[in-house]
Amino acid sequence: QVQLAESGGGLVKPGGSLRLSCAASGFTFSDYSMSWIRQAPGKGLEWISYISGGGTTIHYADSMKGRFTISRDNAKNSLYLQVNSLRAEDTAVYYCARDPRHSSSSGWFDPWGQGTLVTVSS
Amino acid sequence: NFMLTQPHSVSESPGKTVTISCTRSSGSIANNYVQWYQQRPGSSPTTVIYEDNQRPSGVPDRFSGSIDRSSNSASLTISGLKTEDEADYYCQSYESSIRGVFGGGTKLTVL
Repeated sequence: QVQLAESGGGLVKPGGSLRLSCAASGFTFSDYSMSWIRQAPGKGLEWISYISGGGTTIHYADSMKGRFTISRDNAKNSLYLQVNSLRAEDTAVYYCARDPRHSSSSGWFDPWGQGTLVTVSS
Repeated sequence: NFMLTQPHSVSESPGKTVTISCTRSSGSIANNYVQWYQQRPGSSPTTVIYEDNQRPSGVPDRFSGSIDRSSNSASLTISGLKTEDEADYYCQSYESSIRGVFGGGTKLTVL
């Protein structure tokens, strides 16, 4: 079955950096677009970034441009999110999610991973 | 860019029907499909409606979705409410390079 497992979260000091990973299994990873979405404690969902199956098309939310970098390694069935210059407001659960459509972009997300918590605090 | 606005909370009794709205701020609601996600406490979101009114396999037909061009909004309707439906519900759409626009979420209480 399709599984997405995020890792790499933890406690980071303001100004620090983190690289989040998402390990995919149960499907041909390179055939699907992927996204990162986050959720601050007690708050709503916020889309961060999108990457196409081949990695050639990348989009970011306007508020995320500059400090966030999405990438993927199809040989390792893995998705990544590099986050730099972390701030307290970046504290959130970070989810990876797959586009449900094979070899296209549907504009929605299914399934989602279980998320990894990033806490930015001194 | 547009925004999606949802009521903060709704409540209804078991067995009743509830409708959650999602209003698009600019551009037509019909321009891009709307999805609805259910998120129970401590869990990841799951899809209950995609492409305005389609139900994934495994989602009960008590869940239905629609769009209304006149009010520029989408709606999620849950009939025959069960206590297990108590959760946060998020609408979501997209536009060209903005792949994910989420509503603020609606907390459904079944009391």
